[in-house]
Amino acid sequence: DTGVSQDPRHKITKRGQNVTFRCDPISEHNRLYWYRQTLGQGPEFLTYFQNEAQLEKSRLLSDRFSAERPKGSFSTLEIQRTEQGDSAMYLCARSTGGTGELFFGEGSRLTVL
Amino acid sequence: AQKVTQAQTEISVVEKEDVTLDCVYETRDTTYYLFWYKQPPSGELVFLIRRNSFDEQNEISGRYSWNFQKSTSSFNFTITASQVVDSAVYFCALTNTGTASKLTFGTGTRLQVTL
Repeated sequence: DTGVSQDPRHKITKRGQNVTFRCDPISEHNRLYWYRQTLGQGPEFLTYFQNEAQLEKSRLLSDRFSAERPKGSFSTLEIQRTEQGDSAMYLCARSTGGTGELFFGEGSRLTVL
Repeated sequence: AQKVTQAQTEISVVEKEDVTLDCVYETRDTTYYLFWYKQPPSGELVFLIRRNSFDEQNEISGRYSWNFQKSTSSFNFTITASQVVDSAVYFCALTNTGTASKLTFGTGTRLQVTL
């Protein structure tokens, strides 16, 4: 158990619909990360939070994507007007800060039809 | 820009064989961290090791060992006496110390261990 829960585990949606993923890390780790992994590739960094502050966003995160972490606890990643290219595994991870190791959740797989 | 190359896409071995997974990295930073992660069929990435750029000492943990060579920008991973449970995709990753845990991952090496 890595202490990161993600929901839903799998989401199938039609192109143009909005989807939201949720990540619940155990409380004592103040950094939370979102990564995206497409088939046959390694994870790619999307964004990260320190407590409730979103400190960095990748250029992969287009304006259709938004992430929040209210009160520095759970986080949500919303994708608006989904496109087929958004199909991927969305991974959430926590860390203790600095360049500590990341502890990943099991991911939320998005399939856009 | 940082880059991690895992040239071996897929490796198949028979149980009890030793296997080495290659990782070559590129970075302009003098201080950086290297990682290995395992992704079993269940999908959850599992942290294996972190090594900083100032520590070139090789590390052994049970059947796992890592060989870090700055001269060749490589951070190779060896599994001794492989087991079926080692079957997974293994990722090498890199970050510099100024970017928190914003890791740059390689494309992974799929290891298949058969009886």
